[in-house]
Amino acid sequence: SAVISQKPSRDICQRGTSLTIQCQVDSQVTMMFWYRQQPGQSLTLIATANQGSEATYESGFVIDKFPISRPNLTFSTLTVSNMSPEDSSIYLCSNNRGLTDTQYFGPGTRLTVL
Amino acid sequence: DAKTTQPPSMDCAEGRAANLPCNHSTISGNEYVYWYRQIHSQGPQYIIHGLKNNETNEMASLIITEDRKSSTLILPHATLRDTAVYYCIVRAFGGGADGLTFGKGTHLIIQP
Repeated sequence: SAVISQKPSRDICQRGTSLTIQCQVDSQVTMMFWYRQQPGQSLTLIATANQGSEATYESGFVIDKFPISRPNLTFSTLTVSNMSPEDSSIYLCSNNRGLTDTQYFGPGTRLTVL
Repeated sequence: DAKTTQPPSMDCAEGRAANLPCNHSTISGNEYVYWYRQIHSQGPQYIIHGLKNNETNEMASLIITEDRKSSTLILPHATLRDTAVYYCIVRAFGGGADGLTFGKGTHLIIQP
């Protein structure tokens, strides 16, 4: 299985500020994915990040709010911009491995916006 | 991806087998069944997946019906640490560029 780390593990931020979450994978992967999990809810896919191209966003998520970088095959960042309390969630990154592209997840970043 | 239906919650006694059902009646021929679990706000943990044959690994067994419209995840000897939300997800083979669609899952509570 993959080893995926995220930084920070948690943060408390003020309304109107931005936070950048880092995701590091222990080997090169083509696709990385970012998810949001709002309190008491299931996971929702935000976007897919392919190295060397712009991220592909799901309906309801826009690049201005959640800019993503993918500078190489082992690293990605997600920025949560101009935060409001509604952005308080767990943010998770993941990638696919193996012959059937099984998806593995990082530990998540718990964000609280005051 | 096809949708899945799971009971919202289940209880199981510690040491007994936990059997978690999942309905995926609209599954396509090229779609796998995946199971994940999420323990109290940690990242989802991959458990097992299968196409049409039953599968077993060190964590669990997956039983898929012959018509592939439903499956059961079996934790053979449940422990308190198995308390988690279990997600059943169907996903097409070759869907490496696709994220996963999570339903609400089953909250499994292991009772001492």
